[in-house]
Amino acid sequence: EIVLTQSPGTLSLSPGERATLSCRASLSVNDNHLAWYQQKPGQAPRLLIYGASTRATGIPDRFSGSGSGTDFTLTISRLEPEDFAVYYCQQYGYLFLTFGQGTKLEIK
Amino acid sequence: QLQLQESGPGLVKPSETLSLTCIVSGGSISSNIYYWAWIRQSPGKGLEWIGSIKSSGSTNYNPSLKRRGTISVDTSKNQVSLRVTSATAADTGVYYCARHEGGAYYFYPMDVWGQGTTVTVSS
Repeated sequence: EIVLTQSPGTLSLSPGERATLSCRASLSVNDNHLAWYQQKPGQAPRLLIYGASTRATGIPDRFSGSGSGTDFTLTISRLEPEDFAVYYCQQYGYLFLTFGQGTKLEIK
Repeated sequence: QLQLQESGPGLVKPSETLSLTCIVSGGSISSNIYYWAWIRQSPGKGLEWIGSIKSSGSTNYNPSLKRRGTISVDTSKNQVSLRVTSATAADTGVYYCARHEGGAYYFYPMDVWGQGTTVTVSS
């Protein structure tokens, strides 16, 4: 089983700033099958990024993903008020899905 | 537009069976390329994949449920169901159903989610 560890646990930033979220896998993620989701309170997660760097339909270009192997990054270039939420990474490289524990992005 | 709607009893007694249903509307559950998954989120915790099923009945499960979980599909009703036996307080949480594609050797991420249904296991 691949364990995903996200850091930091909480990130405090102001609107307009750049956010960098990390996801580290215990084993290499097959074919960079790594996704990022955003979850707001009381809502289901929303797919942001798949294939480590491809934005899902309708996702603004201020969201970008990068990385390969065991280290992946989600970057939000300029934070908008609606971006403050919890972000999860997920590996889907096998017939078994695992999520990271999440990073809470809060307003400073 | 595809929509998923979970439902079930909000309260389950310990040791009893937790049963949930996900109705799929705006599309057919019988598509061969899609899987239908159950994911849960315990209070204050992250997301845990429970398992996935295809319309053919082929299933994959997270071993963490220790064989207490069963996912089934009813194509005539366009719905997917989840049963978790011997429920404990650790099964309390929000349960989501979601759609994802799958290949022979790997899955794809979930692109459509239901709104979730809350289950509390308590006497």
